[in-house]
Amino acid sequence: AQTVTQSQPEMSVQEAETVTLSCTYDTSESNYYLFWYKQPPSRQMILVIRQEAYKQQNATENRFSVNFQKAAKSFSLKISDSQLGDTAMYFCAFGRTGRRALTFGSGTRLQVQP
Amino acid sequence: GAVVSQHPSWVICKSGTSVKIECRSLDFQATTMFWYRQFPKQSLMLMATSNEGSKATYEQGVEKDKFLINHASLTLSTLTVTSAHPEDSSFYICSARDRGVGDEQFFGPGTRLTVL
Repeated sequence: AQTVTQSQPEMSVQEAETVTLSCTYDTSESNYYLFWYKQPPSRQMILVIRQEAYKQQNATENRFSVNFQKAAKSFSLKISDSQLGDTAMYFCAFGRTGRRALTFGSGTRLQVQP
Repeated sequence: GAVVSQHPSWVICKSGTSVKIECRSLDFQATTMFWYRQFPKQSLMLMATSNEGSKATYEQGVEKDKFLINHASLTLSTLTVTSAHPEDSSFYICSARDRGVGDEQFFGPGTRLTVL
């Protein structure tokens, strides 16, 4: 079974600064996907970024980028130029190929301070 | 992007009654839908996987007779909480996989269930 660990229950960052959220996972699979989801107070799950395990290049989406270390089974999210709207719960998730559900980490609550 | 809707967005019911929650993929066909449960300040826990035209697969510890799942079409899955009790109060979220688009899942906005 896969496990996803987020060791930072809460984090705080000043507006315009950079913050990194950590995520580690454990799996015996070779092909898989990793995701970061954002859950704002509305509780709608919003996909922030995804990474295919077979790709060596780290994914980037505007201010969001990941540091994917496959051998270390680490998948951290870096948010640059933090904005007040980034305040939310962030979940790291693991997904296997095929009709499989996602396995979520426990989440990191990020507060962006003005 | 693909849109998944849930109805109702919130519901309050009396203990012992049944509640049905609908999950619809609005602009794509979903062969597989997933139902998650989320307690306050906690993560999403998978309850069951719903495949169109077949019986749902429940996770260990989830009572299939209490949480009835039906996936009768490629755009609709329903979760019925039967004989609800206060401990069933939670936030229920569905997600759907677009069979034409890789492994990405699209999430519904969730349903808050409160059982009095």
